[in-house]
Amino acid sequence: DIQMTQSPSTLSASVGDRVTITCRASQTISTWLAWYQQKPGKAPNLLIYKASSLENGVPSRFSGSGSGTEFTLTISSLQPDDFATYYCQHYNGDSLYTFGQGTKLEIK
Amino acid sequence: QVQLVQSGAEVKKPGSSVKVSCKTSGGTFSSYAISWVRQAPGQGLEWMGGIIPLYGTPYYAQSFQGRVTITSDESTSTAYMELSSLRSEDTAVYYCARSLQAFYYYAMDVWGQGTTVTVSS
Repeated sequence: DIQMTQSPSTLSASVGDRVTITCRASQTISTWLAWYQQKPGKAPNLLIYKASSLENGVPSRFSGSGSGTEFTLTISSLQPDDFATYYCQHYNGDSLYTFGQGTKLEIK
Repeated sequence: QVQLVQSGAEVKKPGSSVKVSCKTSGGTFSSYAISWVRQAPGQGLEWMGGIIPLYGTPYYAQSFQGRVTITSDESTSTAYMELSSLRSEDTAVYYCARSLQAFYYYAMDVWGQGTTVTVSS
């Protein structure tokens, strides 16, 4: 089974900072990767799919990159609304999903 | 606008079963994969399984094989997830989510509001 490992597990940052979260796959997954944002008590919200495609309505300060085994989610200038937990997810189109363990983005 | 509306919170005894529903409104039901994802208190997201109603064949994560049953009813645009032999570790919020792209298990762009299942004696 493919394992997805995110780093860091917790990230402290300030409004206006540029932050990057990394997700590594245990084997190559092409660009079959999505990123989600989740706030406490709420369902996850899709930010990025196919590694770098921005979901409709998601602010352009969010971007994704990578292919193969290493992927990044970048927030170019943190806003107060961005403090949340972020998950990467591998999907293979054919009935298999694997989530990373999550990265909690906290206010410094 | 597509919405997924889930059934209400459940409290169950250990060893029993729970069945959660997820009704699609405002969009096509049959051709989009519906997945079930659970989140234990303070923990991450865990995919349990899914189904594309048009095809009817459910797929399950290995860790839930034999304990979970996912079905769909095209006449009511509703998907169901039944989990049996409940134990305290199954206490979690259970979400249904729809695939962004038809006919494939793709990224999930629409989520239900979540159903809290509490397993307690």
